[in-house]
Amino acid sequence: DQQVKQNSPSLSVQEGRISILNCDYTNSMFDYFLWYKKYPAEGPTFLISISSIKDKNEDGRFTVFLNKSAKHLSLHIVPSQPGDSAVYFCAASGAQGGSEKLVFGKGMKLTVNP
Amino acid sequence: DSGVTQTPKHLITATGQRVTLRCSPRSGDLSVYWYQQSLDQGLQFLIQYYNGEERAKGNILERFSAQQFPDLHSELNLSSLELGDSALYFCASSWTPTAADGYTFGSGTRLTVV
Repeated sequence: DQQVKQNSPSLSVQEGRISILNCDYTNSMFDYFLWYKKYPAEGPTFLISISSIKDKNEDGRFTVFLNKSAKHLSLHIVPSQPGDSAVYFCAASGAQGGSEKLVFGKGMKLTVNP
Repeated sequence: DSGVTQTPKHLITATGQRVTLRCSPRSGDLSVYWYQQSLDQGLQFLIQYYNGEERAKGNILERFSAQQFPDLHSELNLSSLELGDSALYFCASSWTPTAADGYTFGSGTRLTVV
């Protein structure tokens, strides 16, 4: 049972345009959401997060939007740059027995073309 | 360099064998998480330790075990290996037992079972 879903395996955009990566979740107990970026041969690196008490969090070119009623979040990258080409993972957490392990989606490969 | 060190980077072994993967967390981090990433799969949570104690268990097979030592490094032991155990194994660390601030991942150990 996949609690965090990234339904599109890949996305290709032109440099300078907006990239929108989507993520859906099923567990209403999740209260914290994160995006990670992963380059080949490296571990995932933390990108941006959002608490369930907010609906938007912005950090430079990266903005995450949360729609709790729809159990949906999205990551916007504006403007997209070739260096943003990577696999992006959506993750969620919620206090479960004192441990907030992260539940990850399968990832989405973003390609930004020069 | 994320500060989380995983060894070895690559491991090739035969079915039925046993291997040990090692993880040194980032300095000051007390929590260690182990994740498995198989082909076309997201990051699957295996197990978490916090300051030497097991904190949470995920989809970890009985053939797998882990521990965290007094110096906080952790080892993941995989035994009676099967072809399907071939995957990337990531270790991550955080200074709290919760994931609210995200984890720091190592670069992973690629296990190939032949």
